[in-house]
Amino acid sequence: DTGVSQDPRHKITKRGQNVTFRCDPISEHNRLYWYRQTLGQGPEFLTYFQNEAQLEKSRLLSDRFSAERPKGSFSTLEIQRTEQGDSAMYLCASSSKRDPSYEQYFGPGTRLTVT
Amino acid sequence: DAKTTQPNSMESNEEEPVHLPCNHSTISGTDYIHWYRQLPSQGPEYVIHGLTSNVNNRMASLAIAEDRKSSTLILHRATLRDAAVYYCILRRGIQGAQKLVFGQGTRLTINP
Repeated sequence: DTGVSQDPRHKITKRGQNVTFRCDPISEHNRLYWYRQTLGQGPEFLTYFQNEAQLEKSRLLSDRFSAERPKGSFSTLEIQRTEQGDSAMYLCASSSKRDPSYEQYFGPGTRLTVT
Repeated sequence: DAKTTQPNSMESNEEEPVHLPCNHSTISGTDYIHWYRQLPSQGPEYVIHGLTSNVNNRMASLAIAEDRKSSTLILHRATLRDAAVYYCILRRGIQGAQKLVFGQGTRLTINP
């Protein structure tokens, strides 16, 4: 499968714990995005990388959230001291700078439940 | 970010055409109109995009009003697999503007 993959697919954690999610983009896609989606809403943009550089962060991304893409390939999203309001689907997408349509390819998401 | 307005839900029958409207009255000259859809339990997938002219691809057609303040996504023969939430998104066509700003979308139901 050459699509975007995310791991884990589901995560249940207790309030106050830290969690980390991984995203593997399509090979050679230099752009990577994180979005968050709560029930009944459209996805909300969190952050965007071009290669290893984090170029944009949403105001939604509080200081408990951090994202990295150390070698310009896979990315991790960490949430520290989780809160119940962090329960959501976390979606990763990737795109190629060379694609004139700017199409973003989304992964299946990681569903986080904070109890 | 320029805003789009879509109906919350629409219903159609299998093998009939579907016209999904989107209003974007505050669109700027450099904004591209993108459509994505999200099938149940999946991430969104790209459908089509355009700037000024109507566009066709294997999935759908995009009709853009002359003043660009509205657009319509056309599914020519709906199938049950087209049941999804359809999002109309404006993407700023300037260098460095990459994020997609999703609204609530239109939930499309297809009746057999």
